[in-house]
Parts: sequence; C-alpha cells; structure tokens
Amino acid sequence: DQQVKQNSPSLSVQEGRISILNCDYTNSMFDYFLWYKKYPAEGPTFLISISSIKDKNEDGRFTVFLNKSAKHLSLHIVPSQPGDSAVYFCAARESGGSNYKLTFGKGTLLTVNP
Amino acid sequence: DGGITQSPKYLFRKEGQNVTLSCEQNLNHDAMYWYRQDPGQGLRLIYYSQIVNDFQKGDIAEGYSVSREKKESFPLTVTSAQKNPTAFYLCASMDRAHYNEQFFGPGTRLTVL
Repeated sequence: DQQVKQNSPSLSVQEGRISILNCDYTNSMFDYFLWYKKYPAEGPTFLISISSIKDKNEDGRFTVFLNKSAKHLSLHIVPSQPGDSAVYFCAARESGGSNYKLTFGKGTLLTVNP
Repeated sequence: DGGITQSPKYLFRKEGQNVTLSCEQNLNHDAMYWYRQDPGQGLRLIYYSQIVNDFQKGDIAEGYSVSREKKESFPLTVTSAQKNPTAFYLCASMDRAHYNEQFFGPGTRLTVL
C-alpha cells in the first residue's frame, strides 16, 4: 500500500515556465515532508522541506506548498531551467517512534526543454 | 570534506554469489540506511541502523543482511537468496539530533549475471 504517491511519472515544461510537481499521502501521522532531486546514476540530493505546521516554504526558485486537509503537497519551480531536469522524489517522515524513517514516492521525471 | 562514499560504482556478480556493498560516512551521523531503486519503483528501504550494533529490517529486507560494528560503516550483503538482486543501491545517513534530512551516497549499480 503506497503511503506516498506521485501520480505523474513524468512532466515536460519549457524553460522559463513554472514546473509543478505533485505528491499525495495517505498516512495522517506524517509530520514532515521533503523533496529530493536525483540525476541518473547518482544519489538523491535534498532540495526543500516543510513541516506539517506550515503551509508554505520557499527557497529561491523552489516553493513547497502543503495542504494538510487534502493530504497533498506540491513543489513549484519558477522559472524552470534545463539543469532542473531530473527525477524528483517526494518523501515523508512519520511522527513518533518511526521518525527515523522516510517513505518515498516513486518519483516524477521532470524535463525542462530549452 | 564530509560525505558518504559507496564503492564500487559498478559491480558485477554471477548468480548464486553473495556480494557486499560498502558504505562509509564521515559525517558523524548515528543513523544509516540502505535503499534499493528500481525503474518506476522509487526508493525502497532495505535495512536501517539508528546506533552502532543495532539495526532493523526495512520494507524489503529478505535476501539481504547488514552489520553495524562501527559508526562510520554500514555494509550491505546481497545474498544468493535475493531473487532479483540487480538494482541501484543507495546508502544514506542522518544526524539523529536533527532528524529531518537524510544524506545520500552516490550509489552502487549491482548487476547479477
């Protein structure tokens, strides 16, 4: 049973436009959410995170929005650049005893076209 | 220069052989993790360790074994019991005092022939 879902396997956008990557979750015990970026044959790198007590977190071109009632978060990249082309993973951490583990979605491949 | 190293980058083994993947970190992190990535499957947790000499099974531990004798090292053995061992393996670590972000190594691509 997938607790973190990224329903779009891929997304293609034009350079300079906005990229919106979506993530849904089912576990109401998740209290912290992270986005990772991954290039082929490399390890993921941390991008941005958000605590469940917030609904928005911004870092440069990257903004994450959290809608707790809908159990939905999204990553906005503005403006998109060709170097942003990568797989983006949404991850969630559970509060309490399992808070050392992250649950990952299956990822969304973002392609930014010049 | 702190970080996580995994070696080798590419590994080939014959079917039926055990193989051990190396993971070393000099970040002084207590917790370490092993994930497996398959196409379209995201990252799936194999084993994790919160402190030295202690580790727990993740979601897909069957056919794998680990040890945690030193804080810096968390080797993963892929045994012959693992039915589909060919995959990209990722090691990660985390500071338990700031348990928000896991740092990943560069990964090892294991191909079983």
